Amino acid sequence: DAMVIQNPRYQVTQFGKPVTLSCSQTLNHNVMYWYQQKSSQAPKLLFHYYDKDFNNEADTPDNFQSRRPNTSFCFLDIRSPGLGDAAMYLCATSSGLASYNEQFFGPGTRLTVL
Amino acid sequence: SQELEQSPQSLIVQEGKNLTINCTSSKTLYGLYWYKQKYGEGLIFLMMLQKGGEEKSHEKITAKLDEKKQQSSLHITASQPSHAGIYLCGADIANDYKLSFGAGTTVTVRA
Repeated sequence: DAMVIQNPRYQVTQFGKPVTLSCSQTLNHNVMYWYQQKSSQAPKLLFHYYDKDFNNEADTPDNFQSRRPNTSFCFLDIRSPGLGDAAMYLCATSSGLASYNEQFFGPGTRLTVL
Repeated sequence: SQELEQSPQSLIVQEGKNLTINCTSSKTLYGLYWYKQKYGEGLIFLMMLQKGGEEKSHEKITAKLDEKKQQSSLHITASQPSHAGIYLCGADIANDYKLSFGAGTTVTVRA
């Protein structure tokens, strides 16, 4: 089945130790998104790619970076995780940039920072 | 403050009873999505509404978007344990294809 896959599902890192989260998709969608969702809060968009074009949200900290080496894969790099970065990280894809293009979500990666 | 307000924050319903969740914005909703999330998991798409006055149903779940496109409701008829979870509304509120989300409504169904 076509889907959005996130690895790992659970990630534990130490304060200040770089970490990379992975997302892959078999939908061949042009757009890939990364959201941060803290406990009992709304998912918050960090950035997205339209093909290779990167779009950062204005309030996304510089500590968060992303790479999209090809259509199928997108990575979220947290350069120096702080305790406040502990959250669920959700990857989503859509076929295009329009409000009628459904976003398909992966299962998420729960990040713990010790 | 939240751009999309969901109410209630949580609710407990007896199995077989109906429930309604609301999603309200002060801005026009250009595309309104309802998702379901189980704790610790990703979002599962339920329905998408675009036109004012639009209503969609799937199995026992009905979603409506009001004529002014500033409020949506999600109604579940004859709730079952499988309906338990967190329901999130997401919408394009700036007509820029990006989704803003509500904080979610946690639904518990008691047998």
